[in-house]
Amino acid sequence: QVQLVQSGAEVKKPGASVKVSCKASDYTFSNDGISWVRQAPGQGLEWMGWISADNGHTDYAERFQGRVTMTTDTSTSTVYMDLRSLTSDDTAVYYCARGTVAHRRIFDSWGQGTLVIVSS
Amino acid sequence: DIVMTQSPDSLTVSLGERATINCRSSQSVFHTSNKKNYLAWYQQKPGQPPNLLFYWASTRESGVPDRFSGSGSGTDFTLTINSLQAEDVAVYYCQQYYSTPPTFGQGTKVEIK
Repeated sequence: QVQLVQSGAEVKKPGASVKVSCKASDYTFSNDGISWVRQAPGQGLEWMGWISADNGHTDYAERFQGRVTMTTDTSTSTVYMDLRSLTSDDTAVYYCARGTVAHRRIFDSWGQGTLVIVSS
Repeated sequence: DIVMTQSPDSLTVSLGERATINCRSSQSVFHTSNKKNYLAWYQQKPGQPPNLLFYWASTRESGVPDRFSGSGSGTDFTLTINSLQAEDVAVYYCQQYYSTPPTFGQGTKVEIK
């Protein structure tokens, strides 16, 4: 059973940065990529970007370019998502999600979510 | 970006009845090279992450009950829940993965009448 376990909730002030982790277990980490998807309170799902667990290649959504960095640590099977210059609009639950063998943008396993609150 | 639009935004269905959710994409998500529709459906229950139900528009994910079915092609897709059960109360999302960024519909909330 694939498991993605994320770090705990964060409260940040506007202008700050947040780094969320996603630790994978029970599958071959380097075979797959991980996407990050966020969900603002009561809202829908928004894809932020993807990182290859194997070589660290990234693909970011245009609206987050320059503000997000995704990294991977293969020694601990952990992926990180760093979001900078936070505003209240970044208040959301952030999910990591694994792409399937069929297609990297079909998400068959998800982390439990990390709530990030941006408030002064 | 491809815009995904679901209808209705919410629906209330009696136990044992059928629920039908529609999803329309702003451009075709059918890939002529492999004749596949790049469309997935997810179910999200309160306080939980989304759960994959279907991909390639109609391929059921392992463990999904067969009262759920996915259909459609091109720009118009449907998720059908036959004989609605109490545990099916959730928000359902369609998602295209034809092009980057992958985009989701706004969600359809299914409740019991």
